[in-house]
Amino acid sequence: ETGVTQTPRHLVMGMTNKKSLKCEQHLGHNAMYWYKQSAKKPLELMFVYSLEERVENNSVPSRFSPECPNSSHLFLHLHTLQPEDSALYLCASSQDPRGAYEQYFGPGTRLTVT
Amino acid sequence: GENVEQHPSTLSVQEGDSAVIKCTYSDSASNYFPWYKQELGKRPQLIIDIRSNVGEKKDQRIAVTLNKTAKHFSLHITETQPEDSAVYFCAASIDTGKLIFGQGTTLQVKP
Repeated sequence: ETGVTQTPRHLVMGMTNKKSLKCEQHLGHNAMYWYKQSAKKPLELMFVYSLEERVENNSVPSRFSPECPNSSHLFLHLHTLQPEDSALYLCASSQDPRGAYEQYFGPGTRLTVT
Repeated sequence: GENVEQHPSTLSVQEGDSAVIKCTYSDSASNYFPWYKQELGKRPQLIIDIRSNVGEKKDQRIAVTLNKTAKHFSLHITETQPEDSAVYFCAASIDTGKLIFGQGTTLQVKP
């Protein structure tokens, strides 16, 4: 499957490091999303972008900084993370965030903060 | 805000039996209810969805029912097969991309 890709697939970082997660969608969609998936917890929506404009920020700590340079690319910049931030970070895209359309997920980045 | 509760957290059935997963939601304005399946080590994928203007929707062995009055919806899988083993997530939204997910149900189908 190549509709939504994410890199890297695995990342181990120390609490003082700065790293970035990348997501790319090849579906011509206008909306992109970041989700956090932790064990025993529901998928948590972090950010929503519509045509490169952030339309939703779900009270996410400032150590997570999203960037959407165009409708096909989405980044999540990470700095000064905590061990509890270890999780699977999923990117998704959909046709439009203003309507209820199917969301296509990427394979995720498994992040471990040491 | 919206809150979605999902039960059970784990479900084990024999191959060929039916499986039912239930979700309740809190915001009566929610009108879109998708179900996603996530196999081990893979990405979540939409398997079926329902909007509030219908009470039931079927797609082969999968069906979803919605009770707007009680604010709950359910996923029904008939004639389960080992490949149905996965984690299933329900979600709700008010006709936008802001999905609120349930906690997930791990379904195991024993051959």
